[in-house]
Amino acid sequence: GQQVMQIPQYQHVQEGEDFTTYCNSSTTLSNIQWYKQRPGGHPVFLIQLVKSGEVKKQKRLTFQFGEAKKNSSLHITATQTTDVGTYFCAQTTSGTYKYIFGTGTRLKVLA
Amino acid sequence: DVKVTQSSRYLVKRTGEKVFLECVQDMDHENMFWYRQDPGLGLRLIYFSYDVKMKEKGDIPEGYSVSREKKERFSLILESASTNQTSMYLCASSFVIQASFNYGYTFGSGTRLTVV
Repeated sequence: GQQVMQIPQYQHVQEGEDFTTYCNSSTTLSNIQWYKQRPGGHPVFLIQLVKSGEVKKQKRLTFQFGEAKKNSSLHITATQTTDVGTYFCAQTTSGTYKYIFGTGTRLKVLA
Repeated sequence: DVKVTQSSRYLVKRTGEKVFLECVQDMDHENMFWYRQDPGLGLRLIYFSYDVKMKEKGDIPEGYSVSREKKERFSLILESASTNQTSMYLCASSFVIQASFNYGYTFGSGTRLTVV
């Protein structure tokens, strides 16, 4: 089946440091989504990227879609304790309703 | 606010029991999904439905079945529960996702099922 590699699996940062998680696919993607799951919570949709090379920002979060539409990244500038949680990418290929989720990157922010 | 409601937050069942997990959404979404979440494995798709009475297998359908008799309700059935089905089960729903709109899945709060 479709493989969704997400790295790193875990990341501990000091508050104020930057953080990046990467999502890689073995196939060309139609679009990609990012979700955040707080500890004990459920995944919450953050953003969808569609176009090759697309970059979108949400306050301190920057999302990027690769030129070949096979990879994506989420970068958080100056992390805060509220950023703690697991970040998932979700991928789909054209013509499918279903999204395949990555294994997630668990972020811990040390105050 | 879109709401996806799962009937139970915690459930303990015995091996061999038939288990029903219920999910209801209130936003007229066409698509509904069942995932299970396990440490280190992320979210894995069990089944999904894109219309009433329609269903398609996901990546791990073995040991599960589903029912969608009404648009707002999607049930996951464990025909004969086994200990390896102990997991967090997440229901999600969405409109047909279009590239021109920035929206994704809405998840329920999850059901933590323990099979003993």
